[in-house]
Amino acid sequence: DTAVSQTPKYLVTQMGNDKSIKCEQNLGHDTMYWYKQDSKKFLKIMFSYNNKELIINETVPNRFSPKSPDKAHLNLHINSLELGDSAVYFCASSQVRFPTNEKLFFGSGTQLSVL
Amino acid sequence: DQQVKQNSPSLSVQEGRISILNCDYTNSMFDYFLWYKKYPAEGPTFLISISSIKDKNEDGRFTVFLNKSAKHLSLHIVPSQPGDSAVYFCAASPGGTGANSKLTFGKGITLSVRP
Repeated sequence: DTAVSQTPKYLVTQMGNDKSIKCEQNLGHDTMYWYKQDSKKFLKIMFSYNNKELIINETVPNRFSPKSPDKAHLNLHINSLELGDSAVYFCASSQVRFPTNEKLFFGSGTQLSVL
Repeated sequence: DQQVKQNSPSLSVQEGRISILNCDYTNSMFDYFLWYKKYPAEGPTFLISISSIKDKNEDGRFTVFLNKSAKHLSLHIVPSQPGDSAVYFCAASPGGTGANSKLTFGKGITLSVRP
């Protein structure tokens, strides 16, 4: 049973399109995240939700909109895709609200390619 | 602004030898440090962590050393095994419970263990 699962694994799309990535965790965790790994390989946090409440919102274009229907799900919708959005997007979860000293559990990533 | 730096992009070691992966940080507020391991097409998984009140933490073949004055930490793997071949991410956080208490990741080091 996969703890944090995200779909799709690969997403190839044209500039200007709108796409969504879904994430679900079955760990009973209260907090979920979206991370982006760009071409320079850094993993950078985009958003964090705790019990459906947005608690971290980094400087991300508002074309990116996270949606958390319940604490086990955090989806990422991206409008008007641009070439620079090409990256690997990781969903993650943690038990606590601010996991400064607790590990994150990551999904396997979604490779987004914008053509 | 790279607050967590993994300056060596790759490391190759012989099976059975020691692997030493280095990480430097610039933010003196960082209080807690973690290492994550990532295989291709998978998400990062937690490996080992250390609090700033310690200078060493050991878990089986894995030991993390922290030198706060030098703002440097290292991960030692002894003995190295082919299954350790992966990308290793160093991460740090300032502790606390505010929205700034997020993990900051380095860009990873690719370790190859030769049989």
